[in-house]
Amino acid sequence: GAGVSQTPSNKVTEKGKYVELRCDPISGHTALYWYRQSLGQGPEFLIYFQGTGAADDSGLPNDRFFAVRPEGSVSTLKIQRTERGDSAVYLCASSSPGGRGYTFGSGTRLTVV
Amino acid sequence: DQQVKQNSPSLSVQEGRISILNCDYTNSMFDYFLWYKKYPAEGPTFLISISSIKDKNEDGRFTVFLNKSAKHLSLHIVPSQPGDSAVYFCAARSGAGSYQLTFGKGTKLSVIP
Repeated sequence: GAGVSQTPSNKVTEKGKYVELRCDPISGHTALYWYRQSLGQGPEFLIYFQGTGAADDSGLPNDRFFAVRPEGSVSTLKIQRTERGDSAVYLCASSSPGGRGYTFGSGTRLTVV
Repeated sequence: DQQVKQNSPSLSVQEGRISILNCDYTNSMFDYFLWYKKYPAEGPTFLISISSIKDKNEDGRFTVFLNKSAKHLSLHIVPSQPGDSAVYFCAARSGAGSYQLTFGKGTKLSVIP
């Protein structure tokens, strides 16, 4: 597609529920990243995919967070047993090899009530 | 421990004047720096970058200056336009081939017509 697409744009869920956030990167971009932006903060790195594999998941805060990219294109960020502290904007980005910077999607605003 | 610091949460500038946004970093391994611009409800958009081997990079109205000894960079916008009103994030990356960006908290620029 023309840009990075993230769905849903907004998600409200109850504490303890499971959520999935989807990212559709720019066609042909092999690298995909998830970042999380909490209120008043800059984006913080969560996980990086190169192709289908998670090359670096060191930013995932705990084992309730998991992400997949089974066919090397669309990625899903999964959060189990959501907590109020998980409320944030989850940003996905993609890049091509040698690209100057990422292209970010508009994000999914997750609110845990 | 914030490795990238933007100490001014907000800045107001008159249209046509210069906007100067500042950023400091602590990690001497950072060797590539980027500025992103973010409008509400949109993802960050890449604006301009600079490698640590340079001290200045210019792109139209936007110029980034890097002072390695002071671990400081700044973004100059001349002349400022109302459409420049947004949140500006400074980001840094360490090492060739590195993918993970470390962001500052952002500075909200308001350009007053």
